[in-house]
This record gives sequence, C-alpha cells and structure tokens, in this order.
Amino acid sequence: QEKLVQSGAEVKKPGASVRVSCKASGYTFAVYYIHWVRQAPGQGLEWMGWIHPNNGGTNYAQKFQGRVTMTRDTSISTAYMELSRLSSDDTAVYYCARERDLGGRLPMGSWGQGTLVTVSS
Amino acid sequence: SYELTQPPSVSVSPGQTARITCSGDTLSKQYAYWYQQKPGQAPIVVIYKDNKRPSGIPERFSGSSSGTTVTLTISGVQAEDEADYYCQSADSIATYVVFGGGTKLTVL
Repeated sequence: QEKLVQSGAEVKKPGASVRVSCKASGYTFAVYYIHWVRQAPGQGLEWMGWIHPNNGGTNYAQKFQGRVTMTRDTSISTAYMELSRLSSDDTAVYYCARERDLGGRLPMGSWGQGTLVTVSS
Repeated sequence: SYELTQPPSVSVSPGQTARITCSGDTLSKQYAYWYQQKPGQAPIVVIYKDNKRPSGIPERFSGSSSGTTVTLTISGVQAEDEADYYCQSADSIATYVVFGGGTKLTVL
C-alpha cells in the first residue's frame, strides 16, 4: 500500500523560504510522478507543479516559476518542495500527491497528509 | 483557456441525485477528473478520465462529458457524501494542470 508522509508544520517570516518533504513508501519511488498542490485556508486546491523522481525532471505552474524548486532524493524515497520569498499569501496547507497510474501523470492517487505553512511576521 | 468553472454550492436531500458541473474550453479536448475532499482530509479521486470510477468508490458516483462541460453525478446521495468536490483537467501531457474552484455539496 503506497503511502506519502510529509514533514511537520512550519512557521516562517515574510521573505523567508520553506522546504516541505514528502517521504514515499510501499512502491517504487523513482517511477511515479509526484505533484505538489496547496490549499489556502478556506480556499480551493491550487496545483504547483510536478517532479519525476527518476530523472528529476520538473514542471512548475507559471505562477510559481522562479520561486519554487522541486527536488528529490531517491536514496531515501523523498521528494521536496521549496518555496522562496514567502508572503502571507503563501499561508496554506501543502500536499504532495502521487500519480495514480504509472505514466498517466493524472489523476493524483495517493496524497500526503498535508503540511501547514504559516507565514507571519 | 485553462480555467474551470464550478458552482460554489449544491444542496440535495438524502436519496436524491446531485449533479455538479464543471465548464471550461479545455474539457472539449482533455479529460476531466473529480476529487472529493472532506474537512481536514486530503482529497481523493472519485472519477477519472471523464467517467471512470476507481475501485472502492461507490457506484452512485458517475461522470459524464458533453462539449466543454463535464458533470459529476451522485445518485441516491448519502449524508457521507457531504464534501467539497473539485474538477481538474490539464493539457495533453499535464504540463499545465488546473483545478476548478470547488463545489460544496450539502446534504440537507
């Protein structure tokens, strides 16, 4: 049974960066795309981008280009999402999610539990 | 365009049929996906590729597509179906992925 476990909640000051981790288990980490999605309080889902762990290839939503970096460490089956130059608008729950079926990219199947990132001075 | 539009809310009584629509130009060419999200939980996919239902999702959930509009239908709604529902689509190779704004389903 595949499982994604994310790092704990973070509190950051405006202008800082945050890195959220997503540790995978129960499947071959390298072959499935990982998406990152965020959800501001009381708001909808917002796609941020994906990474393919095998080669580290990434694709970012235009809104986040220049500010987001998605990486992975295949030796520990972990994906990372780093967001820089944080503002209060970045306060949200950040989710990682694995593609449901190999090679399909969508839909998103298994999801992490979410990581709350709070940006406050 | 890659914008998807959903009604903010839909209300139905138990046992009735709920229909949640999602509109967007891309839907005439690309697949739609539907996610259910309950408070405090991560989303789960309930319909993929317009009308396919993952194993474990009740048969009362179905999806359809017509032109630039897709519809999630929940037949015989149960109280446990009360949740937020999001449609999703993308370009052909998911270099651009978009969610609709979400629809809150209330079971009266």
